[in-house]
Amino acid sequence: GDSVTQMEGPVTLSEEAFLTINCTYTATGYPSLFWYVQYPGEGLQLLLKATKADDKGSNKGFEATYRKETTSFHLEKGSVQVSDSAVYFCALTSTGRRALTFGSGTRLQVQP
Amino acid sequence: GAVVSQHPSRVICKSGTSVKIECRSLDFQATTMFWYRQFPKKSLMLMATSNEGSKATYEQGVEKDKFLINHASLTLSTLTVTSAHPEDSSFYICSARVGRELNYGYTFGSGTRLTVV
Repeated sequence: GDSVTQMEGPVTLSEEAFLTINCTYTATGYPSLFWYVQYPGEGLQLLLKATKADDKGSNKGFEATYRKETTSFHLEKGSVQVSDSAVYFCALTSTGRRALTFGSGTRLQVQP
Repeated sequence: GAVVSQHPSRVICKSGTSVKIECRSLDFQATTMFWYRQFPKKSLMLMATSNEGSKATYEQGVEKDKFLINHASLTLSTLTVTSAHPEDSSFYICSARVGRELNYGYTFGSGTRLTVV
């Protein structure tokens, strides 16, 4: 079945540091890939997505590129802010499955 | 944008009682809703897919008699945890898929923190 593997957290960074959160997947067919963010006390929000190989999703300074050859969708940001502190979930949908399959989530803590 | 309203946000109940969680799509019609359970420091696990006007589809290992799902209208899906026990304490989240074909996304309720004492 489908699965998503994320790096363990928490990830603790200083403000303005470079962020990478690794995400790899296994899926049937041609999955669509997503990153969701959950801020403290709030629900999940879509951060970015990519629907086919080599697509790059971007939003709020975050980027992720759909790499079919390495089955990866790593999240990056060049300069994090304290306000980026949250839990980040990598997720996918695949052919014939309408629901999202989530990774375990990675907590990011950004210190001033 | 598409909004899903989930209530209650927090509920505490006694063992053996039942709790109902509601999810409403406020500005769109949701023919399908998904119910997830989130364990502390773990991922969201799909419990079931709720289809308007028909029976829900449960994931393997989820007790359908314990987690009753009703999707009687295009704007309301409910999850009832029956005869709740402390091990049912968790964070429950509903979600709906919006849009079509490649231009689709998912919107989530704000979640319900259930504590069974």
